[in-house]
Amino acid sequence: EVHLVESGGGLVQPGGSLRLSCAASDFTFSAYNMNWLRQAPGEGLEWLSYISSRSNNIYYADSVKGRFIISRDNAKNSLYLQMNSLTDEDTAVYYCARAGFGDYSDSWGQGTLVTVSS
Amino acid sequence: EIVLTQSPEFQSVAPKEKVTITCRASQSIGSSLHWYQQKPDQSPKLLIKYASQSISGVPSRFSGSGSGTDFTLTINSLEAEDAAAYYCHQSSSFPLTFGGGTKVEIK
Repeated sequence: EVHLVESGGGLVQPGGSLRLSCAASDFTFSAYNMNWLRQAPGEGLEWLSYISSRSNNIYYADSVKGRFIISRDNAKNSLYLQMNSLTDEDTAVYYCARAGFGDYSDSWGQGTLVTVSS
Repeated sequence: EIVLTQSPEFQSVAPKEKVTITCRASQSIGSSLHWYQQKPDQSPKLLIKYASQSISGVPSRFSGSGSGTDFTLTINSLEAEDAAAYYCHQSSSFPLTFGGGTKVEIK
């Protein structure tokens, strides 16, 4: 069974930064593309960013382009999301997810809550 | 950006009844449409991939159909455990997008 565990969430002030991590286990992390997604309180799902298995293809949603940076370390089986210039609209549960063949998310972590507030 | 329009937003259905949720794409996406179930305080779970392909471990009462721009998720003989939000999702092109969701309540 695929295991994905997000960490690094918490309370941050507007304009601040936060780095999320996602620890992957029980599958060959280096062979899979990965996604970050989020869900604001009471809202639907929003895809944020994608990184290919070797980090040679990266995509962002317009809502985070220029502020968020996705990265991975295959040696550590870890995925990251550096989030800068945070606003209250970034308050959400953030999920990492494994991308199946075709880039949809086939397995999700439990999520980590990010709250942007003064 | 491909917009996915899901309907209805909310549905209250009695146990053993049939549920139909539709998802319309703003342009053709072939069969690159996937369905998720999200129960309260849980992560989304993949139900159907590529419009109609079943997922191991998902009950057979869940099925999907469609191609191009119009897709349907069907839940045959609804059970109490199916109370959840359901989302469609396209992976045809970036940015990846989701439908707005359908909340299914058990009467």
